[in-house]
Amino acid sequence: EAQVTQNPRYLITVTGKKLTVTCSQNMNHEYMSWYRQDPGLGLRQIYYSMNVEVTDKGDVPEGYKVSRKEKRNFPLILESPSPNQTSLYFCASSSADSSYEQYFGPGTRLTVT
Amino acid sequence: QKEVEQNSGPLSVPEGAIASLNCTYSDRGSQSFFWYRQYSGKSPELIMFIYSNGDKEDGRFTAQLNKASQYVSLLIRDSQPSDSATYLCAVIKTSYDKVIFGPGTSLSVIP
Repeated sequence: EAQVTQNPRYLITVTGKKLTVTCSQNMNHEYMSWYRQDPGLGLRQIYYSMNVEVTDKGDVPEGYKVSRKEKRNFPLILESPSPNQTSLYFCASSSADSSYEQYFGPGTRLTVT
Repeated sequence: QKEVEQNSGPLSVPEGAIASLNCTYSDRGSQSFFWYRQYSGKSPELIMFIYSNGDKEDGRFTAQLNKASQYVSLLIRDSQPSDSATYLCAVIKTSYDKVIFGPGTSLSVIP
């Protein structure tokens, strides 16, 4: 089954404790992306990657890091989480061959206290 | 001005009616336009994409694009209660660029 998976689905953590949210896709997609969704602000792109070792900043990259060492994986790293990073996070992937129609993961709800 | 704007909503329509959702974008270089549906607590799912001026139909859904007016819309014919969701407009400038989403419009179809 073609899918984008994220882990964990729910996470409560404390300020300053480094965390990683994993994202994996099994569709051999080139393009992968991370978004955060907040009430009233919609989906905002954090980082995206066109292919292995190629990443670029989206609209709200501050406080986040990403890496793309393998085509299927695109982890999101919060080195020192803060309460303003409490949000719902989505990973998405798409193929250049399919006109960049994005397939979204199930989401990770992160709470930073 | 926000890069992508949508009707503020919420939008309520009776079952069987046509729901009209609108989206405007600020960057004239934008090339690809997408409509996603998001049910509460779920991830967005793609409904339609459009690249060329004019209409594109898929079942009960029609996307309309007018690049001169920087406007893209989604029409839902014969609206059903199951269409009740938030609809997100997304715009991409080039193949190697970021995706910009609008804030979404909440649609409620009343039985």
